[in-house]
Amino acid sequence: GQQLNQSPQSMFIQEGEDVSMNCTSSSIFNTWLWYKQEPGEGPVLLIALYKAGELTSNGRLTAQFGITRKDSFLNISASIPSDVGIYFCAGYSGGGADGLTFGKGTHLIIQP
Amino acid sequence: GAVVSQHPSRVICKSGTSVKIECRSLDFQATTMFWYRQFPKQSLMLMATSNEGSKATYEQGVEKDKFLINHASLTLSTLTVTSAHPEDSSFYICSATASKPNYGYTFGSGTRLTVV
Repeated sequence: GQQLNQSPQSMFIQEGEDVSMNCTSSSIFNTWLWYKQEPGEGPVLLIALYKAGELTSNGRLTAQFGITRKDSFLNISASIPSDVGIYFCAGYSGGGADGLTFGKGTHLIIQP
Repeated sequence: GAVVSQHPSRVICKSGTSVKIECRSLDFQATTMFWYRQFPKQSLMLMATSNEGSKATYEQGVEKDKFLINHASLTLSTLTVTSAHPEDSSFYICSATASKPNYGYTFGSGTRLTVV
């Protein structure tokens, strides 16, 4: 099935640094979602974006829905150890399947 | 908030046997439930979409006779892996949504299936 291009694949950062990751697609999505997944658990929704150009924050997290509807980014400010995990973008196109299309994930590792 | 419960969290079965995984929406009625599969260090891939009271819609390449989905009520969907083989070993995750345009899909905690 269709996949989103998510980058970077992994990030090694120092505690306190800011983080930025993004997703791009060759096709338009009506909704962008950002999830965090920890080992052995299901994804947990962080931010949902419903309109092109929308910029939404959730604590230290900020995400934007690109105006072309083909991209989105997620920023994490002042990272802390509990931010470690895999972050996935997901898009919803409103097509027949109605399921989400996921990016391949960004593995965030915070070095002490 | 919306809560989705998935059971069991881990299961080990012998090759050739069948395994049933349950997905329940605890505090809302899920008109649609989705089943995903995730291999180690990979992304989630949609397997099928199930709507209450109707047949599931399977993604291309997913064997409907092998992965049986039943969505008998608005709060319960089940995935049965029939005649399991080692290559079916994976992390299976369900998600549920109440209705459009609520796109805040809530995921279960996943089921780690190991076929030996």
